[in-house]
Amino acid sequence: SQQGEEDPQALSIQEGENATMNCSYKTSINNLQWYRQNSGRGLVHLILIRSNEREKHSGRLRVTLDTSKKSSSLLITASRAADTASYFCATDARMDSSYKLIFGSGTRLLVRP
Amino acid sequence: GAGVSQSPSNKVTEKGKDVELRCDPISGHTALYWYRQRLGQGLEFLIYFQGNSAPDKSGLPSDRFSAERTGESVSTLTIQRTQQEDSAVYLCASSSQRGGRGELFFGEGSRLTVL
Repeated sequence: SQQGEEDPQALSIQEGENATMNCSYKTSINNLQWYRQNSGRGLVHLILIRSNEREKHSGRLRVTLDTSKKSSSLLITASRAADTASYFCATDARMDSSYKLIFGSGTRLLVRP
Repeated sequence: GAGVSQSPSNKVTEKGKDVELRCDPISGHTALYWYRQRLGQGLEFLIYFQGNSAPDKSGLPSDRFSAERTGESVSTLTIQRTQQEDSAVYLCASSSQRGGRGELFFGEGSRLTVL
């Protein structure tokens, strides 16, 4: 089963609005990452937050991490049409010897001009 | 090269044929991952290489799937006796850090269609 699950599965907002996506995971982690995928393309790394961090910013992106709830959120402020893409969270599994970086099922974001 | 390169970008094959997918990672990246992405789905982990050894191949779905890596360079994913359910985009990623500890750099993927 997936380590990370994003919520919502799909999100449609107007340009200029903020977009919030959530990710829940199951096991202890060293870090959590967010990636973006434009349709038919490879994934692009957005931001990495370590297990001992609670919040991180990068430009219009804000990521929070709550290890007690095993959840993270990605906030995109002042969204643009070019932000339309799928967004995935990914976690490493720390509990066993696994070397996987496990991805969730993604949130499809549509930003309407 | 500057990024992760995958070939072919598209492959259409008949059921029962073997296919080979190639990945050229970023030079110097010791970690290499293969993932499978079915249409509209998330990424399914297949295998992880550290150098030319594969400490985690737990995601390979059946013995029809195999992968190898030459040194810290090119990797090939081989699917034997392809089935229609193998149709997907196969994504390769490399990283300078082991074990999912750092950023992954992805290629554009190889889209496999099995007729």
